[in-house]
Amino acid sequence: DVVMTQTPVSLSVSLGGQVSISCRSSQSLVHNNGNTYLSWYLQKPGQSPQLLIYKVSNRFSGISDRFSGSGSGTDFTLKISRVEPDDLGVYYCGQGTQYPWTFGGGTKLELK
Amino acid sequence: QVQLKESGPGLVQPSQTLSLTCTVSGFSLTSYNVHWVRQPPGKGLEWMGRMRYNGDTSYNSALKSRLSISRDTSKNQVFLKMNSLQTDDTGTYYCTRETFPFLNYGSSLDYWGQGVMVTVSS
Repeated sequence: DVVMTQTPVSLSVSLGGQVSISCRSSQSLVHNNGNTYLSWYLQKPGQSPQLLIYKVSNRFSGISDRFSGSGSGTDFTLKISRVEPDDLGVYYCGQGTQYPWTFGGGTKLELK
Repeated sequence: QVQLKESGPGLVQPSQTLSLTCTVSGFSLTSYNVHWVRQPPGKGLEWMGRMRYNGDTSYNSALKSRLSISRDTSKNQVFLKMNSLQTDDTGTYYCTRETFPFLNYGSSLDYWGQGVMVTVSS
């Protein structure tokens, strides 16, 4: 199975600030069709996860351009700029390249 | 609009079988793949398995011997059955849709149900 490792485990940020979350996979996430199926999800307190970013850098419908994804192969980053109160929660990276699909352990974003 | 809703018992006794239903609307099960993902209390996400648009299934090997996913397209429902439940199967169970239709390979999960909390306890 592909192991997804997220760092840091938790992050404190001031409103309006910028943060980065790292996600590393134990194997390359490049599918044999050339696509890389790395996604980012946000789970707000008491809610279901929601999709933010798919295929490394594509924002899902309705997602603010304050969220950006980058990376390749085994090393990926989610950046959040101008942090707002509604951004708080736990962020997960997930891979859909190989079965079983796997997720990182999560990064909790809190207010400083 | 796209919606998924899980239903099932909130309490299951150890060694018994869990049966959950995911009722979908706003899209067709014969076009989109639907997955099951679970989350133990206070912990991360675990992918359980997938019903493909054409009826094929894939399972997490860690659960494969206990897990079965099926569907009834006429009722827009996907079912999860898992036997021999233990206390570490306690958690919230989500059904969720893959982002793009007619996929035979991976992508991402765009719409999620509200989840159903399942407690395994005697």
